[in-house]
Amino acid sequence: GAGVSQSPSNKVTEKGKDVELRCDPISGHTALYWYRQSLGQGLEFLIYFQGNSAPDKSGLPSDRFSAERTGGSVSTLTIQRTQQEDSAVYLCASSLALSRGLETQYFGPGTRLLVL
Amino acid sequence: GENVEQHPSTLSVQEGDSAVIKCTYSDSASNYFPWYKQELGKRPQLIIDIRSNVGEKKDQRIAVTLNKTAKHFSLHITETQPEDSAVYFCAALDTGRRALTFGSGTRLQVQP
Repeated sequence: GAGVSQSPSNKVTEKGKDVELRCDPISGHTALYWYRQSLGQGLEFLIYFQGNSAPDKSGLPSDRFSAERTGGSVSTLTIQRTQQEDSAVYLCASSLALSRGLETQYFGPGTRLLVL
Repeated sequence: GENVEQHPSTLSVQEGDSAVIKCTYSDSASNYFPWYKQELGKRPQLIIDIRSNVGEKKDQRIAVTLNKTAKHFSLHITETQPEDSAVYFCAALDTGRRALTFGSGTRLQVQP
């Protein structure tokens, strides 16, 4: 079946502008995660959603970052007033659930964000 | 929260040799440890994972071992091939957050 998809694949924006990044998880996956990967670095957790529960926002680096997940499926990560240090690849992942045996995360191709 | 350390940061081996990458974690309650392979410009791909009730798991040329007492786990690749060249990430499931905490990655280069 279809894997995790993300759009756009690349985004170039000017400092101070807002951007929206989209993630379509695998159908039927109840858990959705956002990570950030700076050039040559590891993956940094940002936020996750599990079903209808309140999201875990503990990884968001500042209040300029927010995310929502509508209808338990598609998610949008919004970065307001972008800064150059926001330049990175933003990766989305989904898993069936958080329960033991269902927690394997599958990643999307990422959105490469460049803030000029 | 969880902290995962990964070594080495770079590893170069000759084709056919074995490669070993090691990770340590801090949260003794973590119970799920996946390994991802990431080729340049591509998404991370799960290659193997292990849960805390198992000490070792193998899948063809790849194996992972887990030592819960010492809180470390390792990836073993045997008979390496040039197509194994990539960045490998270990991770541990943060039971507090329920999100993965990743190591900093190992760049593996297999010389033909």
